[in-house]
Amino acid sequence: GENVEQHPSTLSVQEGDSAVIKCTYSDSASNYFPWYKQELGKRPQLIIDIRSNVGEKKDQRIAVTLNKTAKHFSLHITETQPEDSAVYFCAASIAGDSSYKLIFGSGTRLLVRP
Amino acid sequence: NAGVTQTPKFRVLKTGQSMTLLCAQDMNHEYMYWYRQDPGMGLRLIHYSVGEGTTAKGEVPDGYNVSRLKKQNFLLGLESAAPSQTSVYFCASSNGLGENIQYFGAGTRLSVL
Repeated sequence: GENVEQHPSTLSVQEGDSAVIKCTYSDSASNYFPWYKQELGKRPQLIIDIRSNVGEKKDQRIAVTLNKTAKHFSLHITETQPEDSAVYFCAASIAGDSSYKLIFGSGTRLLVRP
Repeated sequence: NAGVTQTPKFRVLKTGQSMTLLCAQDMNHEYMYWYRQDPGMGLRLIHYSVGEGTTAKGEVPDGYNVSRLKKQNFLLGLESAAPSQTSVYFCASSNGLGENIQYFGAGTRLSVL
């Protein structure tokens, strides 16, 4: 089955710097890769996603890149702000699989220092 | 439109007790999922349902049962709770169309003593 590994487990950056979180997946059939943000004590919420027919997607200060050959994808946050502090989860899914299951990485705790 | 609602929010059980967690969604979604979240382990899929009357096992199904008698509700049962089931439980739903955007409930924090 699919396995998703996520690194680093914790990341501390200065406000205004960039943050990068990386994930690798094992199943080459996976073709949908969402990123969820979970603030302390809150529910996970989708922040950006990418399909396998796209190499990069941007939404304001966040971007996701995908390398299908290497089976890894990354989240990039530029000009970080204290409100970006949260746990970020990557996930992989086989769109078209009848279950639409998501397999999540173990999470990255991002701390943005003012 | 409340989205995905989980009840209860908190619960403390003694080992061996049983309980049911309720997940309700008002988005007419076909797909529903139960996850558990433990420190350092992300979200792990317990069981899921692809429609009313269907259920299937996820990554960590042992010790749990589920039912989806109505499209809007997905119940997670613990027949005989164990300390290893202390966790935060999240329910999610999706419409299964194209991308699988899953919308999560607020979670249930369960402690088994």
